[in-house]
Amino acid sequence: NAGVTQTPKFQVLKTGQSMTLQCAQDMNHEYMSWYRQDPGMGLRLIHYSVGAGITDQGEVPNGYNVSRSTTEDFPLRLLSAAPSQTSVYFCASSAGGGGINTGELFFGEGSRLTVL
Amino acid sequence: AQSVTQLGSHVSVSEGALVLLRCNYSSSVPPYLFWYVQYPNQGLQLLLKYTSAATLVKGINGFEAEFKKSETSFHLTKPSAHMSDAAEYFCAVSDNFNKFYFGSGTKLNVKP
Repeated sequence: NAGVTQTPKFQVLKTGQSMTLQCAQDMNHEYMSWYRQDPGMGLRLIHYSVGAGITDQGEVPNGYNVSRSTTEDFPLRLLSAAPSQTSVYFCASSAGGGGINTGELFFGEGSRLTVL
Repeated sequence: AQSVTQLGSHVSVSEGALVLLRCNYSSSVPPYLFWYVQYPNQGLQLLLKYTSAATLVKGINGFEAEFKKSETSFHLTKPSAHMSDAAEYFCAVSDNFNKFYFGSGTKLNVKP
């Protein structure tokens, strides 16, 4: 049972470099999202998607891009990394709410990014 | 936008003692409410959720939470703490299962 898979688990970047955090889920969930976790600030929503081809901004979208070309994948792109983007990033998916769905978010194990 | 306040970034209890983790939300309309737990170097796991059914919600591992509309609270409790409960706990709210807003988290330490 893979669930939500994130890669890489660790990454060190220099300021100005670009990279993509990969996220894949095998539960056929329509909803996927990206969060960043910083000490004392909980998780903050970066971007989310309610289905293939549909994305929207969360609380802290600046400096990040996303796309959703398939139901399974939801990559997060940092176009020009900054030290302020040093964080732990979590991808999550959900079947949404209503009916038998509980609205539960299923999280990946996280990607720790350091920007020097 | 919704906001969630968790009072106490660190809570320490003795094994066997009552666990009480506090969560207050800001909303004029009762939202959907969740508690998640995070063990070191892992993602978050759902403990329990409130979605306008019973106000007292039972979750996994003996945890429960009570929704109190008048107090805009959704505090998490467990009658008797176990060493394995040591983790960080997050309260979260959502209006529509699209945007989730998390509190800043409470780290629970359980002393032997």
